[in-house]
Amino acid sequence: NAGVTQTPKFQVLKTGQSMTLQCAQDMNHEYMSWYRQDPGMGLRLIHYSVGAGITDQGEVPNGYNVSRSTTEDFPLRLLSAAPSQTSVYFCATKQGASPEAFFGQGTRLTVV
Amino acid sequence: EDQVTQSPEALRLQEGESSSLNCSYTVSGLRGLFWYRQDPGKGPEFLFTLYSAGEEKEKERLKATLTKKESFLHITAPKPEDSATYLCAVQARGGGFKTIFGAGTRLFVKA
Repeated sequence: NAGVTQTPKFQVLKTGQSMTLQCAQDMNHEYMSWYRQDPGMGLRLIHYSVGAGITDQGEVPNGYNVSRSTTEDFPLRLLSAAPSQTSVYFCATKQGASPEAFFGQGTRLTVV
Repeated sequence: EDQVTQSPEALRLQEGESSSLNCSYTVSGLRGLFWYRQDPGKGPEFLFTLYSAGEEKEKERLKATLTKKESFLHITAPKPEDSATYLCAVQARGGGFKTIFGAGTRLFVKA
């Protein structure tokens, strides 16, 4: 039982490149979300999904796209990477009204 | 605007030296306040949820308390393995699943 799996763990991109951060969960949780974590700041919500086929924007959605075609997967796409998107990205899942969220190990992204 | 402020930013303790971490919050109707632990290079790990003023939760050497404006995470007789960043977060009523996180307190416990 892997829980929440994020790939890759590390990535370096050049400005303007695009890429997809992968998030997969095997807990059958309805709710999935993407956060970014920057030094001195709290985790900030990028996008979230309450179920397959349903997504919505969080606090800092610009420059990112998401889709949710299955319960298990919630990929995050960077359309044209910018240095401001250098950050650590976390995927999280939770089940319904349960307060407990489960986080992946994170993807450390550097945009040069 | 909903906001979460944690203090101090960093705390250095000797093993066995008890202390408290503070989380002040401003939210339009609290649905729940959460504490997470985050180890370097890893994702946050859920510790507690508190729902109303006066509520307390305990887990080993940690005890979380809640008032109408702040929460404290009390650490009793800490050990080096308690060293981590502790994150506080809130959910507001009517805010759906949106969770607002504080920047965290980095705790270092020296043997």
